[in-house]
Amino acid sequence: KNEVEQSPQNLTAQEGEFITINCSYSVGISALHWLQQHPGGGIVSLFMLSSGKKKHGRLIATINIQEKHSSLHITASHPRDSAVYICAVPSQGGSEKLVFGKGTKLTVNP
Amino acid sequence: GAVVSQHPSWVICKSGTSVKIECRSLDFQATTMFWYRQFPKQSLMLMATSNEGSKATYEQGVEKDKFLINHASLTLSTLTVTSAHPEDSSFYICSARVGSGRITYNEQFFGPGTRLTVL
Repeated sequence: KNEVEQSPQNLTAQEGEFITINCSYSVGISALHWLQQHPGGGIVSLFMLSSGKKKHGRLIATINIQEKHSSLHITASHPRDSAVYICAVPSQGGSEKLVFGKGTKLTVNP
Repeated sequence: GAVVSQHPSWVICKSGTSVKIECRSLDFQATTMFWYRQFPKQSLMLMATSNEGSKATYEQGVEKDKFLINHASLTLSTLTVTSAHPEDSSFYICSARVGSGRITYNEQFFGPGTRLTVL
């Protein structure tokens, strides 16, 4: 079963700072998910990626399949980016079942 | 991206009652839906996999008679928490996946979640 590690667990930044959140996993995968969970609990899918890099607005996700590592970057961070960011990967190889990291709680102060 | 809705968004009930939570895919057909549970400050944990027209597959440790799952159509799955108790209080989240079509294989879209509080 895949094991997911996220770092840091908590992150506090000033508005405008560049943010990096890391995710490592133990078993080779077909794709990795980045999710955002708002304070009220609702989850939004940010990215699903299997190689290289994806960009959406101020969010950039990268993945290195060989190193079993992914990063989520936020440029020009804003207080509305404050949320928990969660990395998820298939539990085994091509499994459709996901296992989730414990999340990184991001707080962006104005 | 595709939209998944859940209803209700929150529910408070008395111990011993049953609660039904609906998960709908609004603009696509979902052959597979997943139900997750999240306790405070913990990760999402998969409870069961729901396939349209067949019985759900439950994860180890999840009581199938307590958490009844029905996936009667390609756009709707329901989770019924039977005889709810305070320890069932949690955040329940569904996700939906389509195996073909415009959505990439293995991409899951998440519902907003349902917060259940059992008194």
